This record gives sequence, C-alpha cells and structure tokens, in this order.
Amino acid sequence: ILNVEQSPQSLHVQEGDSTNFTCSFPSSNFYALHWYRWETAKSPEALFVMTLNGDEKKKGRISATLNTKEGYSYLYIKGSQPEDSATYLCASRGSSGTYKYIFGTGTRLKVLA
Amino acid sequence: SQTIHQWPATLVQPVGSPLSLECTVEGTSNPNLYWYRQAAGRGLQLLFYSVGIGQISSEVPQNLSASRPQDRQFILSSKKLLLSDSGFYLCAWTPGGRSDTQYFGPGTRLTVL
Repeated sequence: ILNVEQSPQSLHVQEGDSTNFTCSFPSSNFYALHWYRWETAKSPEALFVMTLNGDEKKKGRISATLNTKEGYSYLYIKGSQPEDSATYLCASRGSSGTYKYIFGTGTRLKVLA
Repeated sequence: SQTIHQWPATLVQPVGSPLSLECTVEGTSNPNLYWYRQAAGRGLQLLFYSVGIGQISSEVPQNLSASRPQDRQFILSSKKLLLSDSGFYLCAWTPGGRSDTQYFGPGTRLTVL
C-alpha cells in the first residue's frame, strides 16, 4: 500500500515571494507522479505528470522536479500571485499493473496581496 | 473534446436513506473511471475504480458500492447512508497509459443529517 505525504500542510506567502512544497512517496514500484491544483469550488486540475528520475517540468511560473530513487518531488512557484492560492495535490501511481492513484493530503497555499 | 458530468451538485440526505450519484463521460471510449471522496479536513480517498464495463475494484470496505452499466457511466450507490458518508465526492476519468492524467468532474457535496 502506497503512502503519499505532503508538506507543509498549509502556508501563507506574500505576493511576489517564491515558494516550494514537498511530496514524498515510496520509491519502490514507482510508476508515475502527478501534481494537481485544486481551487476552492472547482475540480482538481492537472499540472504535471512525471515518470522519469530527474524529470523537470515547467508551466509558466510553476515547475516540478522528481527524484524516484529517494521518493520525493518538489513543486516550485516563482513570484507567487494571489491567483496561485489553491490546494496543491500530488498523487502517485505505484506500478504499471495498477490503475490506482494514491493522493497526498495536499498543501494549502494562500498568497497575500 | 471530452467532458465529464456529475450530478447532483449538492445533496442533503437523512441517515439511513439510499444514495445514487451518477457520473458520465463524453467524447471518449473505454475510459478508466474513478470515485473519490474528500471528508472534512482530509485528503482525497480513492473509493472505487473501473477499467471496463462491469469491472469494479473496491478500495475501501464500507456501505458504498459502485456500478458501471455502460462504458462511460459510473454510479456510486448506498442502500443506507451513515453520518460518516458526508463529504465531497469526485468522479474522474483517465484515457489510460503511463503518462495519462486524471480529469475530474465538478463534484457532489453530500451532507448526511
């Protein structure tokens, strides 16, 4: 059974600050790691899917890295804006033979103007 | 383009009453389908997933059940709701494949009184 953990649970940053969060997952049987952005009153929206050790993905001011050997992924937001306020979820898929996605509890980000 | 529908958007039900939540996907065929629940203050919990008509995998033993009567239809049911069934229910689909992402429906807010 996979156990995906995210830290911190929540944080507040000032507009313009850069920030990062961590997603930890069991490194054995790794298959794919997903990042989602979940705004209040909306559905989770996919940010990145990462599969290879050392992967780096970027979308605007948001980027993510992946270390499958040690079992962690970082999500970075450069120059945070109030519209970045949301809960950021990561999910791990354990192996090619399973279709299960195990989600972390999320990091709730509040960007103060 | 693909779209996912969920209804109802909100539901208030008494303890012991039955439940039926429906999810349909348009614009794709043979999707993998998922039901998640977010209880208050908790992360997304995988309840059921299906990789084909009539194929249901249950992740959490409880008083809920799921069915997939048609390729793009996924139904979550209960014969008798418990207070602990309150939460936000999300349906999601993936096209399949290693780098596939999950696409979420708008969700159903269920309150059991």
